[in-house]
Amino acid sequence: KAGVTQTPRYLIKTRGQQVTLSCSPISGHRSVSWYQQTPGQGLQFLFEYFSETQRNKGNFPGRFSGRQFSNSRSEMNVSTLELGDSALYLCASSLGLAGGPVETQYFGPGTRLLVL
Amino acid sequence: AQTVTQSQPEMSVQEAETVTLSCTYDTSESDYYLFWYKQPPSRQMILVIRQEAYKQQNATENRFSVNFQKAAKSFSLKISDSQLGDAAMYFCAYRSGRSQGNLIFGKGTKLSVKP
Repeated sequence: KAGVTQTPRYLIKTRGQQVTLSCSPISGHRSVSWYQQTPGQGLQFLFEYFSETQRNKGNFPGRFSGRQFSNSRSEMNVSTLELGDSALYLCASSLGLAGGPVETQYFGPGTRLLVL
Repeated sequence: AQTVTQSQPEMSVQEAETVTLSCTYDTSESDYYLFWYKQPPSRQMILVIRQEAYKQQNATENRFSVNFQKAAKSFSLKISDSQLGDAAMYFCAYRSGRSQGNLIFGKGTKLSVKP
């Protein structure tokens, strides 16, 4: 099976712009989670989508949003970029079945965003 | 709120030797899962090992094993016969068993392997 893929791998934007990142989960996985990784704050959870619905949300401002399509692919959007948004954005997928044992999340290679 | 603490920002080990990475966590839940992820310089986060809190037996995956002390809320990772390819950032992570919730990560430990 192919792993989690993320596009683009690298991105340079300027303050005030907006950006869209894409994540394709492992085939059959319906849950996609997004994480932000920075040297200062470490890995922080942004949100999780399951069956096109946001199921969990972290503590990030409304400038960070996402969506999921019927094929489970997910996009994350950041509007009005700030310098502090420079980070590695990781997505992770899992089957996402509620009520069962907790599943392992499998990560993509990440998108490195640099805001100038 | 749950927290995960990795007290060793950096560790070093000689090739073929054994090293133990520490992790402690804080939670009031009884149902949870713990993970160790490895992030090499390529940045791809890779699962190393997972432990269900309800299991008393420590998880083992080849050269990787954990020492899970539930009462002490400790979850250390032991790497035996260290290899150059083990050099990476290692993250300890917690996930609640109540739902398919998010992972809560520690700050990570950077492991160097000396030839």
